[in-house]
Amino acid sequence: GNSVTQMEGPVTLSEEAFLTINCTYTATGYPSLFWYVQYPGEGLQLLLKATKADDKGSNKGFEATYRKETTSFHLEKGSVQVSDSAVYFCALSVLRRALTFGSGTRLQVQP
Amino acid sequence: DAGVIQSPRHEVTEMGQEVTLRCKPISGHDYLFWYRQTMMRGLELLIYFNNNVPIDDSGMPEDRFSAKMPNASFSTLKIQPSEPRDSAVYFCASSWTSGRSNEQFFGPGTRLTVL
Repeated sequence: GNSVTQMEGPVTLSEEAFLTINCTYTATGYPSLFWYVQYPGEGLQLLLKATKADDKGSNKGFEATYRKETTSFHLEKGSVQVSDSAVYFCALSVLRRALTFGSGTRLQVQP
Repeated sequence: DAGVIQSPRHEVTEMGQEVTLRCKPISGHDYLFWYRQTMMRGLELLIYFNNNVPIDDSGMPEDRFSAKMPNASFSTLKIQPSEPRDSAVYFCASSWTSGRSNEQFFGPGTRLTVL
């Protein structure tokens, strides 16, 4: 079956620090990979995506590269802001189209 | 576009009552998904539809849960009778047949509390 494993949170950083949230996956077939973000009290928003090996998804300063050899899709940002505080979900989708989510990682950025 | 619309945003009910959650997908989208989010189990798929037809309902917890999609612009998720363990945030999402990306757009969710 399909599964996503991401690092436990919360992750607490100071403003302008470097962020990495690890994500690894197991999939039958060739998945598309996603990072979604959930701000307090809101639904999920797509942050970035990648559909094939070595693709790099990027948005709002966040980046993640689809690594087939290590089955990973780690999220990075060079300089976090207080406004980045949220829960981040790594997810994959194969032919069945439904998303399989990781457990989520809460990021707290302190001024 | 208004995005995916869900109603109600909050629902508080008593154990044993019937609960109906509603979703309007983005116009033109042909896939619709219902997910549930809890602290214990995280985000999990309940059911999804393609062109109004249920494709995979293996995530529906038990017979108390049912979902329908009578047309392309409306879906319901019903719980009857409701139980306290059904308390969760229920999300609806939609997507369209477009390449391989399978990007889904989520509604704001319905927070259900069963007392």
